[in-house]
Amino acid sequence: AQTVTQSQPEMSVQEAETVTLSCTYDTSENNYYLFWYKQPPSRQMILVIRQEAYKQQNATENRFSVNFQKAAKSFSLKISDSQLGDTAMYFCAFLGRQFYFGTGTSLTVIP
Amino acid sequence: GAVVSQHPSRVICKSGTSVKIECRSLDFQATTMFWYRQFPKKSLMLMATSNEGSKATYEQGVEKDKFLINHASLTLSTLTVTSAHPEDSSFYICSARFPTPGGDPETQYFGPGTRLLVL
Repeated sequence: AQTVTQSQPEMSVQEAETVTLSCTYDTSENNYYLFWYKQPPSRQMILVIRQEAYKQQNATENRFSVNFQKAAKSFSLKISDSQLGDTAMYFCAFLGRQFYFGTGTSLTVIP
Repeated sequence: GAVVSQHPSRVICKSGTSVKIECRSLDFQATTMFWYRQFPKKSLMLMATSNEGSKATYEQGVEKDKFLINHASLTLSTLTVTSAHPEDSSFYICSARFPTPGGDPETQYFGPGTRLLVL
């Protein structure tokens, strides 16, 4: 079965600094997609970034970028120039035949 | 991006009553919708996959007679918690799979969630 592991339950970062959230996964599938979702206090799940496994180039969306290491089954999220609005729970997710979520990392941006 | 709505946003009910939660895809047709349950500060737990025009597929451990799912149209799925009890109190989130004719990877878009409190 697929598993998605986020080993950092809580993290904090100073405003304007950079922070990296880690995610590893286990799968025997070759074609899959990876996502990072953000859940702010409103609890609305918001898509942050996505990556196709067959693409070697790391996805980037403005201040958000990923470091996708397929062989290592690692998919970390880097947030640059952290802003107060980035404070949220961040979930890593794997989509193969089914969607699997990690346990989440609670990120706090400190003013 | 795609918009998914949920109604109600929060509901309080008495033990033994039934509660219906609606999930709508507002600007696209969703043949597949998903229902999740989330406990405080926990991850999302997939309860069932709802397919338009057919029976829902439930995850192991989820009682199908307890959590009735109906996906009668391409834009609406409903979750009914029957004979609710306090242990059913939780945050319920639906999502819809967004069709990707442009070749982008399949993505789930989430509703804002429904907080259920059973007294």
